[in-house]
Amino acid sequence: DAGVIQSPRHEVTEMGQEVTLRCKPISGHNSLFWYRQTMMRGLELLIYFNNNVPIDDSGMPEDRFSAKMPNASFSTLKIQPSEPRDSAVYFCASSDGLRNTEAFFGQGTRLTVV
Amino acid sequence: AQRVTQPEKLLSVFKGAPVELKCNYSYSGSPELFWYVQYSRQRLQLLLRHISRESIKGFTADLNKGETSFHLKKPFAQEEDSAMYYCALSGQRDSGAGSYQLTFGKGTKLSVIP
Repeated sequence: DAGVIQSPRHEVTEMGQEVTLRCKPISGHNSLFWYRQTMMRGLELLIYFNNNVPIDDSGMPEDRFSAKMPNASFSTLKIQPSEPRDSAVYFCASSDGLRNTEAFFGQGTRLTVV
Repeated sequence: AQRVTQPEKLLSVFKGAPVELKCNYSYSGSPELFWYVQYSRQRLQLLLRHISRESIKGFTADLNKGETSFHLKKPFAQEEDSAMYYCALSGQRDSGAGSYQLTFGKGTKLSVIP
């Protein structure tokens, strides 16, 4: 398995534009997490899914953020409209859903909103 | 609610000196705790988990339920240990929900001075 795959690796966009980040989890994993990493706030959990169902989205900062998982092999995180303060590295991670097992991370998407 | 606190954003030590990265947690149940590491330009990866009681790359961590701590220790720091270290807790959002939320601390950047 190639691991968790995220795209794009880098995204530069203008304020007000829509941004879509993509994630392909490891095959067979049933839990998927979206995190945002910044210098100030560290690694924040935005939302996580279990068996494609959103379990907790309380970390999503605003209504401008939305996430979907239409099937077990794909998830998106969308920001519409984007703002400069959304600039961060966004990570996707997946696990087999058991409590004491490892979460595998993607390479991350570095988003810059100008 | 579950929370992980890493009080130090940055820790600098000399090569060969002992290292201790602090982690405290808040969780009503019995916690499952992990340390993840992110080397420069690489994805986050699991370093160790408390249930395994193992030593990885010379690092150990002991769960102290009385102090609600899971500090990461290494007796002699090496230059290649320089990285970002995250403490994480896996717990259920709701009792019986059947899925586990993985919450991270804000991270500590370890810098080992040659």
